Amino acid sequence: EVQLAESGGGLVQPGGSLRLSCAASGFTFSNFAMHWVRQAPGKGPEYVSAISRNGADTYYANSVKGRFTISRDNSKNTLYLQMGSLGAEDMAVYYCARVGSSYSYDYWGQGTLVTVSS
Amino acid sequence: QSALTQPPSASGSPGQSVTISCTGTSSDVGGYNYVSWYQQHPGKAPKLMIYEVSKRPSGVPDRFSGSKSGNTASLTVSGLQAEDEADYYCNSYAGSSTVRVFGGGTKLTVL
Repeated sequence: EVQLAESGGGLVQPGGSLRLSCAASGFTFSNFAMHWVRQAPGKGPEYVSAISRNGADTYYANSVKGRFTISRDNSKNTLYLQMGSLGAEDMAVYYCARVGSSYSYDYWGQGTLVTVSS
Repeated sequence: QSALTQPPSASGSPGQSVTISCTGTSSDVGGYNYVSWYQQHPGKAPKLMIYEVSKRPSGVPDRFSGSKSGNTASLTVSGLQAEDEADYYCNSYAGSSTVRVFGGGTKLTVL
């Protein structure tokens, strides 16, 4: 059974940093590109960042470029998102999502909540 | 990339059919057959219901169907059931292997 489990969310002060993790199981992690998608309260999902299967290629939404860094460790079946210079606009539930063969997100984690507040 | 446009709400009685639209541009919905739909119940993660405009993943009831005409994609839920009450989001490939645009979401109410 495919499972994705995010962790690392929590309360952080404005301007602070946080590192999210996503532990994958039930499939060959290195065979799939992975994305981070976030969802602010009451809003629709928003693409945040993407990483290729081997981690060599990374991409970011304009809203997080220069502040967030996506990475993966295929030996540990884990995806990461290092977030910096956090602001109120970054408050959301952050999901890791597996990219299926047809550009869709075929599996999602349960999400981890990031709250930015002083 | 601008968000895709969905109606904020839709409703129907049990057994009826409801169609939710998702309007984009020729750069996303109209340009590619890579529209997907997600169902989200409160407090839960989104679940893939339709991919490549009209294909259903294993386990998704055939009451859910998708289509596309020009820059507008649609999700139809037939034979509405109480458990279909949820938020629905569309998503489209937008010309890059990584860029995705989502719709703002439609809250489906089963009356």
